Amino acid sequence: QVQLVESGGGLVKPGGSLRLSCAASGFTFSDYYMSWIRQTPGKGLEWVSYITGSGLYTNYADSVSGRFIISRDNANNSLYLQMNSLRAEDTAVYYCARDLREHRTYDFWGQGALVTVAS
Amino acid sequence: QSALTQPASVSGSPGQSITISCTGTNNDVGAFDYVSWYQQHPGKAPKVIIYDVSNRPSGVSDRFSGSKSGNTASLTISGLQAEDEADFFCSSYTTTSTPVVFGGGTKLTVL
Repeated sequence: QVQLVESGGGLVKPGGSLRLSCAASGFTFSDYYMSWIRQTPGKGLEWVSYITGSGLYTNYADSVSGRFIISRDNANNSLYLQMNSLRAEDTAVYYCARDLREHRTYDFWGQGALVTVAS
Repeated sequence: QSALTQPASVSGSPGQSITISCTGTNNDVGAFDYVSWYQQHPGKAPKVIIYDVSNRPSGVSDRFSGSKSGNTASLTISGLQAEDEADFFCSSYTTTSTPVVFGGGTKLTVL
């Protein structure tokens, strides 16, 4: 069965960096776009970034563009999110999600990784 | 402030039906048949229950149904059960720079 397991969350100071990982299993990872979506109590769900199956193309929300980098390792069925210059407003639970591009929906989500940016 | 507008809360008694609305614009809900609905129980990840406005993924109860009229999409849950109590989010493809926008979420309480 499809499984997505995030890791790498934690507490970081403003201006710091953190790298999230998402280990995928149960499907042919390279066949799918993958996305990072974050959730905060105040702002709800917010799409952060996606990457194509090949890894050649990426896209970012304006709020993280220039600070976050999405990448993937298809040989190891892993998705990553490198987060730099972190701000308090980046505090959220970050989910990796399988992206069904043809339906513009996310059919499987990980359990989430909490990122807290505070001094 | 979320791009799509949902009521903050709805409630119903077991066996009743409820409807949750999701209002967008001509740039998202009104422009495409790419509305999804997600159910999220406390402490859990969202789970897609409706995609492409009205399609249910395999394994999702047929008590969940979706529709759309103009810029407003709707999720109807019939025969409410205690286990339906959760947060529900809508999403839509959009013409803007972001590929998807979400609603702020609706908390469903089963009385």
